[in-house]
Amino acid sequence: GQQLNQSPQSMFIQEGEDVSMNCTSSSIFNTWLWYKQEPGEGPVLLIALYKAGELTSNGRLTAQFGITRKDSFLNISASIPSDVGIYFCAGLVGGSYIPTFGRGTSLIVHP
Amino acid sequence: NAGVTQTPKFQVLKTGQSMTLQCAQDMNHEYMSWYRQDPGMGLRLIHYSVGAGITDQGEVPNGYNVSRSTTEDFPLRLLSAAPSQTSVYFCASRPSVGQVFKEQYFGPGTRLTVT
Repeated sequence: GQQLNQSPQSMFIQEGEDVSMNCTSSSIFNTWLWYKQEPGEGPVLLIALYKAGELTSNGRLTAQFGITRKDSFLNISASIPSDVGIYFCAGLVGGSYIPTFGRGTSLIVHP
Repeated sequence: NAGVTQTPKFQVLKTGQSMTLQCAQDMNHEYMSWYRQDPGMGLRLIHYSVGAGITDQGEVPNGYNVSRSTTEDFPLRLLSAAPSQTSVYFCASRPSVGQVFKEQYFGPGTRLTVT
């Protein structure tokens, strides 16, 4: 099956800093998804991307569908303490409706 | 509109016991699925359903059964619990099958420990 490599595994940053994380695959995906999971909760869908090169924002979050269709990127600008959580990427190959998940990036924001 | 609800929130089982994890949604979503999440791992799909009466296996189905008698409910059954099934289980739903994710919701999870 498809495998997603998500990096970095964890990040420790100061409040106000910008954050970048990415997800890469050996397979071509038709859809990329980004989720946030807060401690003790289920994941929440943040952004969905459907076209190579697409750039989509959700507040201070911006995600991009890589032009090779094998990667995606998530940026968080001006981080705040409530950004703490695990960020997961997920992708769907053509013809599938079942997403494959990355292992997540754990984000800690120091006030 | 309660979204996706899961019960129980916590459960401890002994090896060999059986139990059912409940999942319900009140959004009339066709597609429902069960995932397990283990430390440092992403979400792995156990079983899914594209509508009432239709279920199929995901990536890690062994030791689990599901049924979908109504649109709202999608219970997950552990037939004979094993320590390897210690995990956090999430139920999820979305309006329909397809690659467009207009809405998708996860439940709050069930934390299961098998001793």
